[in-house]
Amino acid sequence: ELKVEQNPLFLSMQEGKNYTIYCNYSTTSDRLYWYRQDPGKSLESLFVLLSNGAVKQEGRLMASLDTKARLSTLHITAAVHDLSATYFCAGGLNAGGTSYGKLTFGQGTILTVHP
Amino acid sequence: DTGVSQDPRHKITKRGQNVTFRCDPISEHNRLYWYRQTLGQGPEFLTYFQNEAQLEKSRLLSDRFSAERPKGSFSTLEIQRTEQGDSAMYLCASSLTGPIQETQYFGPGTRLLVL
Repeated sequence: ELKVEQNPLFLSMQEGKNYTIYCNYSTTSDRLYWYRQDPGKSLESLFVLLSNGAVKQEGRLMASLDTKARLSTLHITAAVHDLSATYFCAGGLNAGGTSYGKLTFGQGTILTVHP
Repeated sequence: DTGVSQDPRHKITKRGQNVTFRCDPISEHNRLYWYRQTLGQGPEFLTYFQNEAQLEKSRLLSDRFSAERPKGSFSTLEIQRTEQGDSAMYLCASSLTGPIQETQYFGPGTRLLVL
């Protein structure tokens, strides 16, 4: 069964600084997702990573996937207050070309960006 | 707005009562998922449907939980004889099925409190 672990679980950053959130998973995962959740709100999809070496960027966030190391990273560049949220990674397994459907989520990283 | 919708948004009930939640997916999405999220944790998979068929159920889904998607559109999740441990946010998500990416789009959730 797929297990997903994130670290750190809590991250306090100053505006303008860079940092990385790490997501390790236990078995082969064919796809890796990153979601954002604001307090009291639902999850917003950020990135889907489908293959080894995949890199995606949106604004100050960049996600990458290393399937050999079973590791995905979410890199934050020059953080701003608006990025304060909880970030989740989630893995999914593929079966014969179609997804199992089920996503397994990490515990989440609570990011707080201070002025 | 054509996103995933859930009703009700909040539900307070007494232990032992039955509750039912509804989820309306994005209209063209054939997959519908239910997750449960407790405070400080990532969402945990409960079950999912492809059209009308329920394809997978988590062992978290005890016999007090039942989900239906009778016409392949909206879905209901019923919890019978609620217990205090059922208090959580119940999230619904929907997606397309395909060989590329199957991003799951989440609804706003139903927050359940069992007294």
